[in-house]
Amino acid sequence: DIQMTQSPSTLSASVGDRVTITCRASQSISSWLAWYQQKPGKAPKLLIYKASSLESGVPSRFSGSGSGTEFTLTISSLQPDDFATYYCQQYNSFPLTFGGGTKVEIK
Amino acid sequence: QITLKESGPTLVKPTQTLTLTCTFSGFSLSTSGVGVGWIRQPPGKALEWLALIYWNDDKRYSPSLKSRLTITKDTSKNQVVLTMTNMDPVDTATYYCAHSPPLPGYDHHDAFDIWGQGTMVTVSS
Repeated sequence: DIQMTQSPSTLSASVGDRVTITCRASQSISSWLAWYQQKPGKAPKLLIYKASSLESGVPSRFSGSGSGTEFTLTISSLQPDDFATYYCQQYNSFPLTFGGGTKVEIK
Repeated sequence: QITLKESGPTLVKPTQTLTLTCTFSGFSLSTSGVGVGWIRQPPGKALEWLALIYWNDDKRYSPSLKSRLTITKDTSKNQVVLTMTNMDPVDTATYYCAHSPPLPGYDHHDAFDIWGQGTMVTVSS
């Protein structure tokens, strides 16, 4: 199985901050990586697919980059609605695997 | 507009079989490249992928749970059913079904763009 490791597990930030979350794969996954946002009690929401493609309707302050084993999700200017938990998911090979999550908290 | 909704029991006893139904609208599971997956999330923990079924009835399972899982589809009813046998308290989780869209140039995509609201299943005697 491909292990997905996210860092940090928790991040404290203020509105307007630039935020970067990292996801590392235990082996190369090319660009087959998705990022999701999840708020308490809600289903995950797709933000980014194929490492850097922005899902329709997602604000442009979200961006993704990387390939191979290292990936980043960047929020260029954190907004109040962005406080949530973020997960990466690889879909290069089965079983599909998710990272452990990064909780973005209010500083 | 694509929507999915999970249904099934909220409480099952240990050793029982869980049957969950995902009823969807806004897409057809006979369209090339489309899939429906099941993902679960224990309280306070991360997401775990369980199974995926494609438009052509190809199926994929989590190896750690494969012996306990069965995924099927009923295209005419717009439903996908997941059964999990021999339930245990560690299977207590919110279970989600989700739509996997086609990606031009590829047989399938395997990211999930639309999710159901989830259904909480508790395993307890």
